[in-house]
Amino acid sequence: SQTIHQWPATLVQPVGSPLSLECTVEGTSNPNLYWYRQAAGRGLQLLFYSVGIGQISSEVPQNLSASRPQDRQFILSSKKLLLSDSGFYLCAWVAGGGETQYFGPGTRLLVL
Amino acid sequence: GNSVTQMEGPVTLSEEAFLTINCTYTATGYPSLFWYVQYPGEGLQLLLKATKADDKGSNKGFEATYRKETTSFHLEKGSVQVSDSAVYFCALSGGAAGNKLTFGGGTRVLVKP
Repeated sequence: SQTIHQWPATLVQPVGSPLSLECTVEGTSNPNLYWYRQAAGRGLQLLFYSVGIGQISSEVPQNLSASRPQDRQFILSSKKLLLSDSGFYLCAWVAGGGETQYFGPGTRLLVL
Repeated sequence: GNSVTQMEGPVTLSEEAFLTINCTYTATGYPSLFWYVQYPGEGLQLLLKATKADDKGSNKGFEATYRKETTSFHLEKGSVQVSDSAVYFCALSGGAAGNKLTFGGGTRVLVKP
């Protein structure tokens, strides 16, 4: 069966520090991968999606970036965090040709 | 573009009450419709889905029917439990947006014993 992992589970970082969040999927090949952010008490905002290795589409201009170095690995990064980057970051995957997204457990980021 | 509108919460209910969460959508093409549930501190879980008009999705006592004529996908449960307390998200995919999901803003449901 397929599983999706995210780490770390929680992170507290100072403003201006770098960020790296990782998402990995097991049990499937060539999935579409997604990064979402959920601000406190708010809905979900799609940040990036990827249909293959090295292929990244950005939905919202910001100081975050994403990379997909391997088929089942999706990384969210920042060189310098802002206070407004605080939130709950969710990774999701879709099987190739499918349409149902399955979400990871999320990473809670607090920027102080 | 695609959009999803769902009723704002919080919705507070007593145990065994009937729950309805309204969801309407705007989309080009023929989207698939989803309900996701988010329990406190967790990621989103797929609750149910429907892929074409008049389909009914169901799971864990929850139901929703894809109504193309009213562009709606309302979520219902006949008798809620305290464990149903969560945030519920309506979403659509497909049509012109491919398999990217468009989410509603979420509805927080609190069930009191």
